Amino acid sequence: QKEVEQNSGPLSVPEGAIASLNCTYSDRGSQSFFWYRQYSGKSPELIMSIYSNGDKEDGRFTAQLNKASQYVSLLIRDSQPSDSATYLCAVNQMDSSYKLIFGSGTRLLVRP
Amino acid sequence: GAGVSQSPSNKVTEKGKDVELRCDPISGHTALYWYRQRLGQGLEFLIYFQGNSAPDKSGLPSDRFSAERTGESVSTLTIQRTQQEDSAVYLCASSLEAENIQYFGAGTRLSVL
Repeated sequence: QKEVEQNSGPLSVPEGAIASLNCTYSDRGSQSFFWYRQYSGKSPELIMSIYSNGDKEDGRFTAQLNKASQYVSLLIRDSQPSDSATYLCAVNQMDSSYKLIFGSGTRLLVRP
Repeated sequence: GAGVSQSPSNKVTEKGKDVELRCDPISGHTALYWYRQRLGQGLEFLIYFQGNSAPDKSGLPSDRFSAERTGESVSTLTIQRTQQEDSAVYLCASSLEAENIQYFGAGTRLSVL
């Protein structure tokens, strides 16, 4: 059973702080990794994609990938109350590049 | 341009009835996916279409679930003889090609009474 694991949270951080969200995956052959943000009752929205080891930055968001340790993380700098949402980690399967396996999500709360 | 559109947004049905859920992907996207999301859970893959063909139906939970796609566009997910455990949000996504980023619709919230 290929799995993607996330801490369900809630992760509570004060406004302006760095929020760190983590995800581990079991399929060592996975090549593509995604972070989606999902507001309550809304559809998932792509935040970041990462394919190579290391860091990838986009505005206040940084994705970090370590394939050897099989984890991917998302850092949100200068957290805002509008960042409060559930963050879903998604990983593709090695034997089917289209199929994404999703974690159950981490709920982030940014306190004003 | 328009995003992925799903209808209805909400559907309440009685146990044992059949339901049809519709998805209009982003124009030009050849790949289309259906997912199910139970309350508080992640997304569960159901089926993948490339064009009008479904090379991977492995996620369909039972033979009560079926899906089709026509004109390399609209897709319909049909659930026959609905059960209470079918209650969930059904999400559709599309991508330009199979390996590209998936864009999601707003989903259909299905409630089986």
